[in-house]
Amino acid sequence: GQQLNQSPQSMFIQEGEDVSMNCTSSSIFNTWLWYKQDPGEGPVLLIALYKAGELTSNGRLTAQFGITRKDSFLNISASIPSDVGIYFCASRGFAGGTSYGKLTFGQGTILTVHP
Amino acid sequence: ETGVTQTPRHLVMGMTNKKSLKCEQHLGHNAMYWYKQSAKKPLELMFVYNFKEQTENNSVPSRFSPECPNSSHLFLHLHTLQPEDSALYLCASSFTGVDSGNTIYFGEGSWLTVV
Repeated sequence: GQQLNQSPQSMFIQEGEDVSMNCTSSSIFNTWLWYKQDPGEGPVLLIALYKAGELTSNGRLTAQFGITRKDSFLNISASIPSDVGIYFCASRGFAGGTSYGKLTFGQGTILTVHP
Repeated sequence: ETGVTQTPRHLVMGMTNKKSLKCEQHLGHNAMYWYKQSAKKPLELMFVYNFKEQTENNSVPSRFSPECPNSSHLFLHLHTLQPEDSALYLCASSFTGVDSGNTIYFGEGSWLTVV
């Protein structure tokens, strides 16, 4: 089945630092989504990307849909303690493909922010 | 508040018990999902319902029995579970169709512990 390789698996940073994480795949996708999961809660959608090359911001978060359609990155600028959590990428395949309609998730990036 | 409500939030059950997880969505979506989230593993899709009809069962053991009486409600009936079934069970919902905007929204999850 489809697999997403998300990296890094975990990050330990100081408050105020910028963060970057990414997801890659050998397959082509038509949608990239980034979710954040707080401890003990369900994932919450941060940013959705629908076009190759698309760059979208949501406050201090910026995400891009790779031009090859096989990757995406998420940047967080000037991190704060409440950024702590697990960040997941997710993607959906093209219509007509075997992965169409199915949302595939990355393994997650655990972010720890030290005050 | 994501518009997807799960109850109970926490459940401890013995291996011989029968219990149910409930999910309700207030977003007008027509697709609902059950995911399982175990430690250090990607989110695993269990079941998908579109317009109350089950369209996907990812080889889930029969001790998990889903029920979708209407597009707004989804249940997961549990019986004779094993300790390895302990996990966070996430309900999600979305619109279906060929458009790219089919983002899924998660509930807060039900923490299940099997003893």
